[in-house]
Amino acid sequence: KQEVTQIPAALSVPEGENLVLNCSFTDSAIYNLQWFRQDPGKGLTSLLLIQSSQREQTSGRLNASLDKSSGRSTLYIAASQPGDSATYLCAVKTSYDKVIFGPGTSLSVIP
Amino acid sequence: DGGITQSPKYLFRKEGQNVTLSCEQNLNHDAMYWYRQDPGQGLRLIYYSQIVNDFQKGDIAEGYSVSREKKESFPLTVTSAQKNPTAFYLCASSWTLEGYEQYFGPGTRLTVT
Repeated sequence: KQEVTQIPAALSVPEGENLVLNCSFTDSAIYNLQWFRQDPGKGLTSLLLIQSSQREQTSGRLNASLDKSSGRSTLYIAASQPGDSATYLCAVKTSYDKVIFGPGTSLSVIP
Repeated sequence: DGGITQSPKYLFRKEGQNVTLSCEQNLNHDAMYWYRQDPGQGLRLIYYSQIVNDFQKGDIAEGYSVSREKKESFPLTVTSAQKNPTAFYLCASSWTLEGYEQYFGPGTRLTVT
C-alpha cells in the first residue's frame, strides 16, 4: 500500500534563504507526482507536476526533483519570501484513478 | 477566467439533514473529483467521475452521493448517514483521469452541529 510522508511537518526560515521540502513515498510504481501550495482556509494551487519519466521540473524560483528508485521528491524554493508562507503538499498518482496526498509541510518565512 | 468554483464557502447544518455542495468548472475537463480534508490529515478521495453520467467511489464514499449530469458540474451530497461530516471539502478537475494536473476549487467548509 502506497504511503506518502512529508518531513518536516513545519519549517520556519528567515527571508532570503533557499530551502528544501521533502516528500517520500513507499512504492516507486507511480504515474506522476504533483506539488501543491495551500493557503489557510483555501483550496490547493498546483505548483509543479513531474511525470514518472522526468527527473525534475522548474517554474520560476521553484524546482522539483523526482527520484523514483529512492522514493523521494524534493521541492527547492530559492530566495524565500514572506509570501511563500503556506502549507506545501505533495501528491503521488499511483494508478489511473488513485492519488495519495501527503500530510503537508507548513512553511513560515520570517521577514 | 477559467477555473473551478465551489459554493457556498461556509455551510452550517443541523445533524440529520442532507446538504449538497456545488462544484462547477469551465475548464472543459472530463474528470472531476471530491476530496475531504481534516486537520492533520492528507486529502482523502470521496468520489470521482471520468465522464458525464459515470462516477466511482473513492476511499471514503460511505455517507456521500454524487451526480454528473453535465460535464461542468459535479455536486456532492452529504447525507445524514455520514458519521463525521464536519470538514473542509475540495473539488478538483483534470483533463482526464490519467497523468494530468489536478486543479482545485477554493473549498467549502461544512459544519454540522
